[in-house]
Amino acid sequence: DAGVIQSPRHEVTEMGQEVTLRCKPISGHNSLFWYRQTMMRGLELLIYFNNNVPIDDSGMPEDRFSAKMPNASFSTLKIQPSEPRDSAVYFCASSPFGSSVFNEQFFGPGTRLTVL
Amino acid sequence: KQEVTQIPAALSVPEGENLVLNCSFTDSAIYNLQWFRQDPGKGLTSLLLIQSSQREQTSGRLNASLDKSSGRSTLYIAASQPGDSATYLCAVPTQGGSEKLVFGKGTKLTVNP
Repeated sequence: DAGVIQSPRHEVTEMGQEVTLRCKPISGHNSLFWYRQTMMRGLELLIYFNNNVPIDDSGMPEDRFSAKMPNASFSTLKIQPSEPRDSAVYFCASSPFGSSVFNEQFFGPGTRLTVL
Repeated sequence: KQEVTQIPAALSVPEGENLVLNCSFTDSAIYNLQWFRQDPGKGLTSLLLIQSSQREQTSGRLNASLDKSSGRSTLYIAASQPGDSATYLCAVPTQGGSEKLVFGKGTKLTVNP
């Protein structure tokens, strides 16, 4: 199993530019999560999907952030326009069972975003 | 609101020592608790998921315990090795079996050869 795949691994962009992060979950997993990790705030959930449907986006910081999951094997997180305070590591994770005592989450390697 | 605290924030031990990492949470109505490992510049690796019906879960030299009533979990690492050096995070659902997890800030472990 290839695990959760994220691309790009590193992204450096200038303020105001659009940034798109990509994620391929583990095949057969029903849920997908987008997290952001910073030194100050730790790991925070931005949004998660269940069976491709967004369930909770209360963690999305602003309207500049949007996420889609057009099919079971692909999701994107878009920031438009980007700002320096968006600099962080963005993780995608997937889980096989949905809301369950067995809902172990598996993380991708992350995308390190730097907005200049 | 669920909050997770991990103490200490950092720990340095000599190789071979047994050690315990602590995690506490405020809302004990959870279905499970998960321990992760994060190496510098890397993603999180799931170590153990312990269900609320279990008191312990073991994997190799790792043993996680869960005491829901007191809102605590411990991760015991036996015979520590330099390769165990990493940040260890615990996470619990916001409530019940919710898919939304709340993470602690982690304990950064350094095992010195």
